[in-house]
Amino acid sequence: AQSVTQPDIHITVSEGASLELRCNYSYGATPYLFWYVQSPGQGLQLLLKYFSGDTLVQGIKGFEAEFKRSQSSFNLRKPSVHWSDAAEYFCAVGAKGYSTLTFGKGTMLLVSP
Amino acid sequence: KAGVTQTPRYLIKTRGQQVTLSCSPISGHRSVSWYQQTPGQGLQFLFEYFSETQRNKGNFPGRFSGRQFSNSRSEMNVSTLELGDSALYLCASRQEYENTEAFFGQGTRLTVV
Repeated sequence: AQSVTQPDIHITVSEGASLELRCNYSYGATPYLFWYVQSPGQGLQLLLKYFSGDTLVQGIKGFEAEFKRSQSSFNLRKPSVHWSDAAEYFCAVGAKGYSTLTFGKGTMLLVSP
Repeated sequence: KAGVTQTPRYLIKTRGQQVTLSCSPISGHRSVSWYQQTPGQGLQFLFEYFSETQRNKGNFPGRFSGRQFSNSRSEMNVSTLELGDSALYLCASRQEYENTEAFFGQGTRLTVV
């Protein structure tokens, strides 16, 4: 069975500082990996995705993530955080040809002035 | 291009009642999945429909059911509501090709009193 661990429940970052959100997955084959963001009371917006190929993927809003197979990780990064980035971030894994996604518990990002 | 549309956005129901939620996928998307999001359990997969057939089902009791129509619109039904069914219900649609991502709707917030 596949699983996703996001070790940090909350993270506080100063505006303008860099950000890294951690994600570790468990899956037997090459996974499909995703990062979604959710603002309060809203649905999930896709930030970026990894299917294959280049292990460093670029997403929207200046986010990027790196797939490291040896560490079973897919950490999300942003060089300079903006106050509007405050939200909850979810890492998810799916199998090839997936019909389901398995999500981590989420990391709540707080941005301080 | 319109996104995934879920109706209604908010619902308040009484314990023991039943409820039907609706999801209209992105045009051309034939796969529709449903997820339940609660503070305690996080995001959990309910079921997925493709071409009017349930293709996959999560670990939820039989009170939770769904269906998909020929135009790919989907409904989910919860019968005999319990307080613990209070949650944000999210619908996602996806094209049925490899290397495609799931797009989520804004969700339906169900409160059972």
